[in-house]
Amino acid sequence: AQRVTQPEKLLSVFKGAPVELKCNYSYSGSPELFWYVQYSRQRLQLLLRHISRESIKGFTADLNKGETSFHLKKPFAQEEDSAMYYCALSGPAGTASKLTFGTGTRLQVTL
Amino acid sequence: GAVVSQHPSWVICKSGTSVKIECRSLDFQATTMFWYRQFPKQSLMLMATSNEGSKATYEQGVEKDKFLINHASLTLSTLTVTSAHPEDSSFYICSARDRLAGGAGELFFGEGSRLTVL
Repeated sequence: AQRVTQPEKLLSVFKGAPVELKCNYSYSGSPELFWYVQYSRQRLQLLLRHISRESIKGFTADLNKGETSFHLKKPFAQEEDSAMYYCALSGPAGTASKLTFGTGTRLQVTL
Repeated sequence: GAVVSQHPSWVICKSGTSVKIECRSLDFQATTMFWYRQFPKQSLMLMATSNEGSKATYEQGVEKDKFLINHASLTLSTLTVTSAHPEDSSFYICSARDRLAGGAGELFFGEGSRLTVL
């Protein structure tokens, strides 16, 4: 069974501080990992996916197969980063398989 | 990016009635759409995969006779909550992928529909 674990419900950091949102997964095979973000009163939207290996809004995430982790990081938090972040997993890229979401972590960036 | 629209965004109904929620892909076609349910302060739980022109695939524990899904066209999927009860009150979210992007395409999410059953 595929599973995504986000251990923190809430992460509060000061503006300018580094951010790390944790995500661990279990999957028998080669999954595709994603981070989705939901800003206040807005719909869920894709932030980044591991196969793209790109930085979006200063966020990066590296897939660590040994530790089965896909932590989201940003070196300097901004107020506008305050949102709900969901880690998600699906089957291998191109298989159009379903997404399984973690429970989400609310990031709160304060001055 | 592509847009997925849900209607209604908010609905209140009496217990025992049925409610239909629409999910439309506005500027792309989707052979597959996904329906999720989200309880307050909880994650999205996949309910079913809606397949254009064929039966939906339901996740374990989801009653298919309770949550009727119809995907009659490449741009529209509907979720009907039949004989709704207060425990069905929730936030229902759909998502869709552009069929031209194939299985690697990004999933786009609707804005969600909040159902309150009195």
